[in-house]
Amino acid sequence: DAMVIQNPRYQVTQFGKPVTLSCSQTLNHNVMYWYQQKSSQAPKLLFHYYDKDFNNEADTPDNFQSRRPNTSFCFLDIRSPGLGDAAMYLCATSRDLGGGNIQYFGAGTRLSVL
Amino acid sequence: RKEVEQDPGPFNVPEGATVAFNCTYSNSASQSFFWYRQDCRKEPKLLMSVYSSGNEDGRFTAQLNRASQYISLLIRDSKLSDSATYLCVVTLYNNNDMRFGAGTRLTVKP
Repeated sequence: DAMVIQNPRYQVTQFGKPVTLSCSQTLNHNVMYWYQQKSSQAPKLLFHYYDKDFNNEADTPDNFQSRRPNTSFCFLDIRSPGLGDAAMYLCATSRDLGGGNIQYFGAGTRLSVL
Repeated sequence: RKEVEQDPGPFNVPEGATVAFNCTYSNSASQSFFWYRQDCRKEPKLLMSVYSSGNEDGRFTAQLNRASQYISLLIRDSKLSDSATYLCVVTLYNNNDMRFGAGTRLTVKP
């Protein structure tokens, strides 16, 4: 059974129209992450939550926001999607912080911007 | 210089071949190392952690050379199902940032 669930799998939005991607987990992990992965590139970390503490990567555009209303759910909000934001968005979780903690990924949401 | 560098491939090999992937990392303070596998249009999945002493899991062997800041993955007796992109991942011990390489694409052919 999937432990990190992302919805929807495919999302199409219009240029400039806000969009929200959803992630939920059944692992009760403390940490949830959002990555952006473009074709043939490495996943790029956007931000992560440790419990309710939000940690933004320095180079994540302001256009990307996140919410974690409870342990199980985390949302990625793209306020004004541009064509360059079309990508696969991956959610991941880990039990805790620290290099030894393995991250478990959801199946991703593929975002298209028209 | 990228933090984690991999040969992008693609590597096209026949079934049964042995294939090796290399990865170098730039931050000497890196402490944890992993190989992830990513199938086309799917999420990365952990293949194996890489330990200083090296480790083996069936047909897969991972090696770490801290002095050279280099990690390797060896796949013996390749199967068609091994076709995927293999991502090298590096983290600092107290920093949860996982830095991914761009991946090496492997295609195993009959």
